[in-house]
Amino acid sequence: GNSVTQMEGPVTLSEEAFLTINCTYTATGYPSLFWYVQYPGEGLQLLLKATKADDKGSNKGFEATYRKETTSFHLEKGSVQVSDSAVYFCALDLSGGYNKLIFGAGTRLAVHP
Amino acid sequence: DARVTQTPRHKVTEMGQEVTMRCQPILGHNTVFWYRQTMMQGLELLAYFRNRAPLDDSGMPKDRFSAEMPDATLATLKIQPSEPRDSAVYFCASGLIQEGNQPQHFGDGTRLSIL
Repeated sequence: GNSVTQMEGPVTLSEEAFLTINCTYTATGYPSLFWYVQYPGEGLQLLLKATKADDKGSNKGFEATYRKETTSFHLEKGSVQVSDSAVYFCALDLSGGYNKLIFGAGTRLAVHP
Repeated sequence: DARVTQTPRHKVTEMGQEVTMRCQPILGHNTVFWYRQTMMQGLELLAYFRNRAPLDDSGMPKDRFSAEMPDATLATLKIQPSEPRDSAVYFCASGLIQEGNQPQHFGDGTRLSIL
């Protein structure tokens, strides 16, 4: 079946460190891929997306490239800040326009000064 | 910025009581989702509406949960009777189906505690 696997957290980094959160997917077709972020006490917010192979999504210094050959969509940021501390969710949409997402389990990121 | 609005933000009640959670989707959106988030299970999809019609509620315990959209500006999720295992954060999200895959927009959730 269709699924998303994320690296287990928590990921703990010092400010200005490089961030990678791994995400791989299993899908029977050609999904769109998303990263959502959840700050404490809030709902999920869209961080970035990519709709086809080799697309790169980017926002707020975060990037992820849709790699069809490795079925991956790893999230990266060159220099994290304390304010990036949150839970990050990778998701795919294979619903053919039905807007229905399959989420990974989430990865908690903690950034220390 | 348009937002999905959920009420109440917090609810504490005793086991056996009816709980109603409300969601106002973003104006013009034609899909509405209800999710439940717990530490153990993560984010679970409970129900999904398109153009106010329920398309998928397979994730919802049918005996005690019900989801409706009385009109385009209101979605409700009811639990009757509530049980301690229903304690969780319940999120509503809305989206717009059009060409291309559009993101869902989430509300800030209702934190439910059943004593």
